[in-house]
Amino acid sequence: QVLLQESGPRLVKPSETLSLSCTVSGYSIGSASWWGWIRQPPGEGLEWIGTIYHTGNTFYNPSLMGRVTVSFDTSKNQFSLKLTSVTAADTATYYCGRRDYGEGFDPWGQGVLVTVSS
Amino acid sequence: DTQMTQSPSTLSASVGDRVIITCRASQNINAWLAWYQQKPGKAPKLLIQKASNLQSGVPSRFSGSGYGTEFTLTISSLQPEDIATYYCQQYNVYPLTFGGGSKVEMK
Repeated sequence: QVLLQESGPRLVKPSETLSLSCTVSGYSIGSASWWGWIRQPPGEGLEWIGTIYHTGNTFYNPSLMGRVTVSFDTSKNQFSLKLTSVTAADTATYYCGRRDYGEGFDPWGQGVLVTVSS
Repeated sequence: DTQMTQSPSTLSASVGDRVIITCRASQNINAWLAWYQQKPGKAPKLLIQKASNLQSGVPSRFSGSGYGTEFTLTISSLQPEDIATYYCQQYNVYPLTFGGGSKVEMK
């Protein structure tokens, strides 16, 4: 069974960098599949942030272009998200998820609420 | 970007009712569409992918259909545990985009 778990600071100051990790168990992230980040502001819908392929190729949401980096740490079987220059609008629950070609995101991590506030 | 428009945004139904949620894409996405169920405080759960393929373990009262730009999610007989918000998502092209959600409430 593949399980994903997000971790990282729950509170980030405006203009600073949000950093989250997603630890994957039950599957080697470098072997196959695509790994993504999705966020959900409180009371709102879902927004795709970015995806990294097992090859290392990355794709990002243009609405966040220039502020987002998704990368691997295969030694820890983790992938990570960095979002720079955050504002209150970046306050959201951040989810990590896995998908393969032709499929939706499954499974998802449980999500972590990150608040941007001074 | 491919815009995904869901309707209705909220619906009230009774146990046993047939519920239909529609998702419209702003451009052709073939069958590259997923449906998710999200309960309060929980992560979304994949129900259907490739527009009509039911995920293993998902009750057969859920079904999906459509191709191109028009898609539907049907719950054939609403159960209390189906109270949730449902999202469609296209994965035909980047950026991946989600519909705004359809909240199903019990009447």
